[in-house]
Amino acid sequence: QVQLVESGGGVVQPGRSLRLSCAASGFDSAFTFSDYAFHWVRQAPGKGLEWVALISFDGSDKYYADSVKGRFTISRDNSKNTLYLQMNSLRAEDTAVYYCAKGSSSSNFDYWGQGTLVTVSS
Amino acid sequence: ENVLTQSPGSLSLSPGERATLSCRASQSVSSTYLAWYQQKPGQAPRLLIYGASTRATGIPDRFTGSGSGTDFTLTISRLEPEDFAVYYCQQYGSSPYTFGQGTKLEVK
Repeated sequence: QVQLVESGGGVVQPGRSLRLSCAASGFDSAFTFSDYAFHWVRQAPGKGLEWVALISFDGSDKYYADSVKGRFTISRDNSKNTLYLQMNSLRAEDTAVYYCAKGSSSSNFDYWGQGTLVTVSS
Repeated sequence: ENVLTQSPGSLSLSPGERATLSCRASQSVSSTYLAWYQQKPGQAPRLLIYGASTRATGIPDRFTGSGSGTDFTLTISRLEPEDFAVYYCQQYGSSPYTFGQGTKLEVK
């Protein structure tokens, strides 16, 4: 059973930076972390889900929501089974629970972490 | 961007009743890339349906997805107490991978 555990959230002032991590485990011998694409999805307090970013299995392709393009960077370390989200120039509207999600072989989001809360406030 | 609009925004039903949730896309979505997720308070979303109509592992058969093009439906045939939650549709065929705004299913 795949498990995803996010960390790195907290309270940060507007304009500052924060890096989130997502540690993955529970892969079987046939397919490993490096076989799958991963996503970041966020949810502002009391709001719906917003897709943030995607990284391909090998890190060669990255896609971003317009709302974070140029400020956020998704990356991965396949040797550590870990996904990252570097968030720069944070704004109040970036306040949300950030989830990492695994892309399945059918491209849907089949496993999700429990989320980490990022609060941007002075 | 493909905007997904879910209706109704909220739905009040009793256990045992049938629920029908709608998701309409502003642009055609390949059925291969339409999913439904369930989210309960304080929890991460859970994949219910992918490919518009395929149940994810462990999802009971009272959940049925259907539709094509721009109109998709999630039907819950007989509501169980644990089914009261928020449901989101999502298209994952092309970036940005948009979600609907959600339908909150409440106990009547």
